[in-house]
Amino acid sequence: GAVVSQHPSRVICKSGTSVKIECRSLDFQATTMFWYRQFPKKSLMLMATSNEGSKATYEQGVEKDKFLINHASLTLSTLTVTSAHPEDSSFYICSAPLASVAKNIQYFGAGTRLSVL
Amino acid sequence: DAKTTQPPSMDCAEGRAANLPCNHSTISGNEYVYWYRQIHSQGPQYIIHGLKNNETNEMASLIITEDRKSSTLILPHATLRDTAVYYCIVRVENNAGNMLTFGGGTRLMVKP
Repeated sequence: GAVVSQHPSRVICKSGTSVKIECRSLDFQATTMFWYRQFPKKSLMLMATSNEGSKATYEQGVEKDKFLINHASLTLSTLTVTSAHPEDSSFYICSAPLASVAKNIQYFGAGTRLSVL
Repeated sequence: DAKTTQPPSMDCAEGRAANLPCNHSTISGNEYVYWYRQIHSQGPQYIIHGLKNNETNEMASLIITEDRKSSTLILPHATLRDTAVYYCIVRVENNAGNMLTFGGGTRLMVKP
């Protein structure tokens, strides 16, 4: 099946630093990718929609200057958490739809656990 | 999108069938029922989807009631590795640009 690779799987950083998370569709192209955030024992919350060749669309309450999204190619989207603080610690997950099958089958990365000290 | 209601948790004995219910009483005629699951500390995984007919694949079976107001995901022989949170989502199947909206899901615990 389709594979979405997300890297790194875990990152620990100091408060004030920036962290970049990559999401790659390995065997298909994705003009759209999605970024989710998940707190412990909670459901996934959509943060933003990443669009290849145009600006990302952010959900209400998500700071676009804090969470920078770049969809550099048809197989790569990156999420950069700028000036990270402890409250940004969370599980970040990306997904991409495979357009050649049922349109709402999303393939998810394995997630990135961010811990900000 | 139609809202779904799932029990927060369920237990199942290993080797037995796990039947996970989902209510979607406000579902529209063009909305599909999708099931995903999330094993602890991993990304969600697609399981199955359907419109009105029952569906079966190598992972599970999906039974949708005739009025489409509810459905049941069946794992025929649950294993310990099926312990996960199972999400029922209803969505229109149109272009590939639609995100998924996750509810609370059902936390299935398969016990030996």
